[in-house]
Amino acid sequence: EDQVTQSPEALRLQEGESSSLNCSYTVSGLRGLFWYRQDPGKGPEFLFTLYSAGEEKEKERLKATLTKKESFLHITAPKPEDSATYLCAVLMFSGGYNKLIFGAGTRLAVHP
Amino acid sequence: DTEVTQTPKHLVMGMTNKKSLKCEQHMGHRAMYWYKQKAKKPPELMFVYSYEKLSINESVPSRFSPECPNSSLLNLHLHALQPEDSALYLCASSQAVVVDSYEQYFGPGTRLTVT
Repeated sequence: EDQVTQSPEALRLQEGESSSLNCSYTVSGLRGLFWYRQDPGKGPEFLFTLYSAGEEKEKERLKATLTKKESFLHITAPKPEDSATYLCAVLMFSGGYNKLIFGAGTRLAVHP
Repeated sequence: DTEVTQTPKHLVMGMTNKKSLKCEQHMGHRAMYWYKQKAKKPPELMFVYSYEKLSINESVPSRFSPECPNSSLLNLHLHALQPEDSALYLCASSQAVVVDSYEQYFGPGTRLTVT
């Protein structure tokens, strides 16, 4: 069964304490992996797209990496404004069309 | 500009009402999407429009009726909803539905409460 699993479910960090979020997937025919940030009551905000194993992308304090089985979102020296839910989504081909399957998300809280 | 707008922000409706949610994008995108998101859950795909034609319906009940009047607008017509339909309804758009154009940009959502 196609599945996207994110861990941990929730993460509490002190400001400046670097960490990583994990997104593991078991899908046939991965076509891409997306990371989004979502603030409470708002729509997801696009962060990164990764297409092939070994690919890395960076934006400010965030860095996303991709292997054949999982992706990591590394947060370096986080600030309180980085607090949000981080969603990963896998693009797969299913039933004749491309489709995004979202993980359940990691709720990140960064405390001063 | 990567903005997708949605109206209204909040909607409360009774089970016998008819209402519509609206979504607009001016990025020239040719694919638009409706998602439903319950609290502390990921977004669930409902419908996909590609070049103003419905290409995916994820077995959504007929009390939800999508419409794409033109390439910039997407509506979701609601009728005879149930309390369990209360959720955040998200609209998104992407350049197209092919792999290298699938980056989706989301609107802020409409918070729907069915009483």
